Amino acid sequence: AQSVSQHNHHVILSEAASLELGCNYSYGGTVNLFWYVQYPGQHLQLLLKYFSGDPLVKGIKGFEAEFIKSKFSFNLRKPSVQWSDTAEYFCAVITNFGNEKLTFGTGTRLTIIP
Amino acid sequence: DTGVSQDPRHKITKRGQNVTFRCDPISEHNRLYWYRQTLGQGPEFLTYFQNEAQLEKSRLLSDRFSAERPKGSFSTLEIQRTEQGDSAMYLCASSRTGINEQYFGPGTRLTVT
Repeated sequence: AQSVSQHNHHVILSEAASLELGCNYSYGGTVNLFWYVQYPGQHLQLLLKYFSGDPLVKGIKGFEAEFIKSKFSFNLRKPSVQWSDTAEYFCAVITNFGNEKLTFGTGTRLTIIP
Repeated sequence: DTGVSQDPRHKITKRGQNVTFRCDPISEHNRLYWYRQTLGQGPEFLTYFQNEAQLEKSRLLSDRFSAERPKGSFSTLEIQRTEQGDSAMYLCASSRTGINEQYFGPGTRLTVT
């Protein structure tokens, strides 16, 4: 069965530091890839998505992610984080284009120190 | 706010009781998904509907779980004879066929004592 791995469980950074969160998936076919964010006390929100085309995708709040097919990766990046980026980040994949169900990673908790 | 809504937000119940949760999707969305999230894990797929038809159920969904979407609008998820292992956040999401973006509700946190 397909799976999604997020190897960083908890990342702590200072404001203005650069961020990269890893995401790897195990599936050899066509995929749609997503990053969702959950701010404290709020519901899951879509940060960005990749369906096809340019492998570098830009999302809200200055986030971007790069799809590297050969590495089965979809890492999330931000050049300069802010305290308000403190949240939990989930990578997810769609591999079944009949039901479009999401398969999520375990999440990465990001803490930004002012 | 016209996003996905869920009710109740929190539910505490005793083991063996039945509970029912409700999800109201975004109005023009014909697909509705239920996920379950436990501590330290990402959401896991439970079941989904296209309009009123329940098209797939995960093996996570035991016989004690049932979901309905009678008129293709809101959905209910019922858990019968709750067990402590049912304690989790139950998330609902909706989307439109052909547009692979799911919008999530705030979830219902279930605690079984």
